Amino acid sequence: QVQLQESGPGLVKPSQTLSLTCIVSGGSISSGSYYWSWIRQPAGKGLEWIGRINTSGSTNYNSSLKSRVTISLDTSKNQFSLNLSSVTAADTAVYYCARWVTTWGHFDYWGQGTLVTVSS
Amino acid sequence: QSALTQPPSASGSPGQSVTISCTGTSSDVGGYKYVSWYQQHPGKAPKLMIYEVSQRPSGVPDRFSGSKSGNTASLTVSGLQAEDEADYYCSSYAGSNNFVVFGGGTKLTVL
Repeated sequence: QVQLQESGPGLVKPSQTLSLTCIVSGGSISSGSYYWSWIRQPAGKGLEWIGRINTSGSTNYNSSLKSRVTISLDTSKNQFSLNLSSVTAADTAVYYCARWVTTWGHFDYWGQGTLVTVSS
Repeated sequence: QSALTQPPSASGSPGQSVTISCTGTSSDVGGYKYVSWYQQHPGKAPKLMIYEVSQRPSGVPDRFSGSKSGNTASLTVSGLQAEDEADYYCSSYAGSNNFVVFGGGTKLTVL
């Protein structure tokens, strides 16, 4: 059973960089036809896809966040990470990591989510 | 504003059926078979309920079904039960650049 777990600071100051890590257990992050993604959800609002990285390290980002987002893969630690720079209060949200199954086009496993608040 | 349009709310009594729509464009819902639906209870992560328009993952009751016509996908929940009360989000693959788009979510209330 694959499990994903987000970790990182729950509070980030405005203009700083939000950094989160998703630790994957129960399977290798470097095998299979998957994309590893970050998704966020502001309180009381819907889901927003942030970006993805595949097992080869190729990335794609939401065009609205592209200039501020970096996603990276660490196969030695079986984890992937999100960096979002120059944050504002609008970036306050629950951040989820999730696995996208390329063959069937859906997210099958999700982390439990972690709340990140941007405030001074 | 979400890329896919869902009604903000839906409701039904126990045992009844309810259908939630999800409208996109030919660049997402209408252009690919990769439409999926997620159930989210308060404070929990989304859970996959339907993938590839109408496929159910193992463990999801057959009361949940999906379909698509043109640029609109639909999720039907039959024989409503109290535990079905949750938010439901549709999602569609949108090509290699935009990748995936979500609907704004529908709050399903079991009366």
